[in-house]
Amino acid sequence: AQSVTQLGSHVSVSEGALVLLRCNYSSSVPPYLFWYVQYPNQGLQLLLKYTSAATLVKGINGFEAEFKKSETSFHLTKPSAHMSDAAEYFCAVSWYNQGGKLIFGQGTELSVKP
Amino acid sequence: NAGVTQTPKFQVLKTGQSMTLQCAQDMNHEYMSWYRQDPGMGLRLIHYSVGAGITDQGEVPNGYNVSRSTTEDFPLRLLSAAPSQTSVYFCASSFDFTGESPHEQFFGPGTRLTVL
Repeated sequence: AQSVTQLGSHVSVSEGALVLLRCNYSSSVPPYLFWYVQYPNQGLQLLLKYTSAATLVKGINGFEAEFKKSETSFHLTKPSAHMSDAAEYFCAVSWYNQGGKLIFGQGTELSVKP
Repeated sequence: NAGVTQTPKFQVLKTGQSMTLQCAQDMNHEYMSWYRQDPGMGLRLIHYSVGAGITDQGEVPNGYNVSRSTTEDFPLRLLSAAPSQTSVYFCASSFDFTGESPHEQFFGPGTRLTVL
């Protein structure tokens, strides 16, 4: 069965430090992969998506993610964390001909220390 | 555009009561869906629709009903509320998946439901 796993339910970094949020997927067919961000008491907002055009995907707010088929991973990174990055981040997967259905990971809460 | 709107923002029910969570979008999206968000479990798909008159079950459909009579609206009905349905509910919409590239799903602000 297709699934998504996010390693680490909580990640804490210092302001200015590298942000690395991990996502691994399990799929028997080529996936489409997404990262969403959720700020407190709000809905989800798309950060970036992988759709097989390029393995390194750049998103909003300085985030990027790299699709690595051999590792079945789609980790999210940002070179320098900002206080405003504190939020919950969700990795999600979909597949061709799935009508837009998304399977979400469990989420990773990012804290940024001053 | 208002995007995806949800009402109410908060709701408290007693076990056994029924209610309808409202969702509307003004972007002419074909695809609409309902998710529930629970701590440590991410978002799980309840029901979805690929157009007016067409609905299907997601991962956790039990205890919920949906219908889609118009493109704009996709209400979620709780038939007989149970404490296990205490959750935050999100509605989302997008243009339908066309095969080459999935479209971004736009999420509403959520409804926080407590069942006592």
